[in-house]
Amino acid sequence: AQSVTQPDIHITVSEGASLELRCNYSYGATPYLFWYVQSPGQGLQLLLKYFSGDTLVQGIKGFEAEFKRSQSSFNLRKPSVHWSDAAEYFCAVGGGSNYKLTFGKGTLLTVNP
Amino acid sequence: DGGITQSPKYLFRKEGQNVTLSCEQNLNHDAMYWYRQDPGQGLRLIYYSQIVNDFQKGDIAEGYSVSREKKESFPLTVTSAQKNPTAFYLCASGPRVLYNEQFFGPGTRLTVL
Repeated sequence: AQSVTQPDIHITVSEGASLELRCNYSYGATPYLFWYVQSPGQGLQLLLKYFSGDTLVQGIKGFEAEFKRSQSSFNLRKPSVHWSDAAEYFCAVGGGSNYKLTFGKGTLLTVNP
Repeated sequence: DGGITQSPKYLFRKEGQNVTLSCEQNLNHDAMYWYRQDPGQGLRLIYYSQIVNDFQKGDIAEGYSVSREKKESFPLTVTSAQKNPTAFYLCASGPRVLYNEQFFGPGTRLTVL
């Protein structure tokens, strides 16, 4: 069965600091990996996705993520965090013929001024 | 504008009543999904449908029912058998391809009094 672990429930960073959110997955075949962001009371917005090819993928809002097969990880990074990045971030894995995604439990990001 | 709409944004019901949440998409997607979100639990899949007139149970289908009579619509009924129905409900849709990318609606917050 596929699964996703986001080890950090809550992270606090200062505005302008760098950010890394961790994601580890378990999947028996080639995974398709996603990062979504959710503002309070809103739906989820796709930040970036990895299907194949270059293991460093660029997304919207200045985010990037690196796929490391040997570590079963897909960590999200941003060089300089803005106050508007405060939100909850979800990592997800998919790839099966049932077209389902499995989500992690999320990491809540707080940005201090 | 293409997208996914969910209505209403907030819904209140008395305990013991069934309630139906609406989800409509005009993205021409074959697959549609319903998730339940509770604090600290991430997203949990309730039901999904890959094509019209077909749907499958997700991980937490007990106490819920769905229908898929039209490609654009995937309503969710929360029945009185659902023991703890108060939650944030998210609808998503996606193309029926192995990349599994899903697009989310704005959500409905259901409160059962």
